[in-house]
Amino acid sequence: EVQLVDSGGGLVQPGRSLRLSCAASGFNFDDYAMHWVRQAPGRGLEWVSGIRWNSGIIGYADSVKGRFTISRDNAKNSLYLQMNSLRPEDTAFYYCARDHGPGGLTWFDPWGQGTLVTVSS
Amino acid sequence: SYELTQPPSVSVSPGQTARITCSGDALPKHTAYWYQQQPGQAPVLVIYQDTERPSGIPERFSGSSSGATVTLTISGVQAEDEADYYCQSVDNSGSVIFGGGTKLTVL
Repeated sequence: EVQLVDSGGGLVQPGRSLRLSCAASGFNFDDYAMHWVRQAPGRGLEWVSGIRWNSGIIGYADSVKGRFTISRDNAKNSLYLQMNSLRPEDTAFYYCARDHGPGGLTWFDPWGQGTLVTVSS
Repeated sequence: SYELTQPPSVSVSPGQTARITCSGDALPKHTAYWYQQQPGQAPVLVIYQDTERPSGIPERFSGSSSGATVTLTISGVQAEDEADYYCQSVDNSGSVIFGGGTKLTVL
């Protein structure tokens, strides 16, 4: 079964850092680009960042550029999001999602279950 | 920057047809995808490449495209179809963009 499991969320103070992880199973992880998408409570979906199969960066949303870093470890079938200088507006559910292809920028299927990040003092 | 515009809400009675539109300047050049999100759950892909339906998605879900507008059509709406629906595409700078989402209410 193709599965993505998000983890690493929690309560963090403004200005601090957090690292999210996404564990993939059931498919050849290094054949696919991967993405992070977030959703503030009660709001819509916002693409955060994407990374190609070979760790080439697809891009970052303007709202996180310079603060967040996406990475992957194909040997560990894992995707990461390092989040620095966190702000209250970064509070959201964070989902990892598999792109259809290795280069990215197609459709996302499947998605992880999401992990909640709350930025508050 | 490019945006995708969806109606905030659509309401239909069971058995009727629901149509959810998504408009944006990027759409004539880039294909669109649709996701269904039930409350408290992760999004699920229901349409890809404007009109294609993934395996496991009921036939009542279909997609169409015309110029700068794509449409998700749900024929014979059922109570279980009540959810939020999002369109997605790519803008000309190579960034992923989502529509604001449409809440489908089954009356």
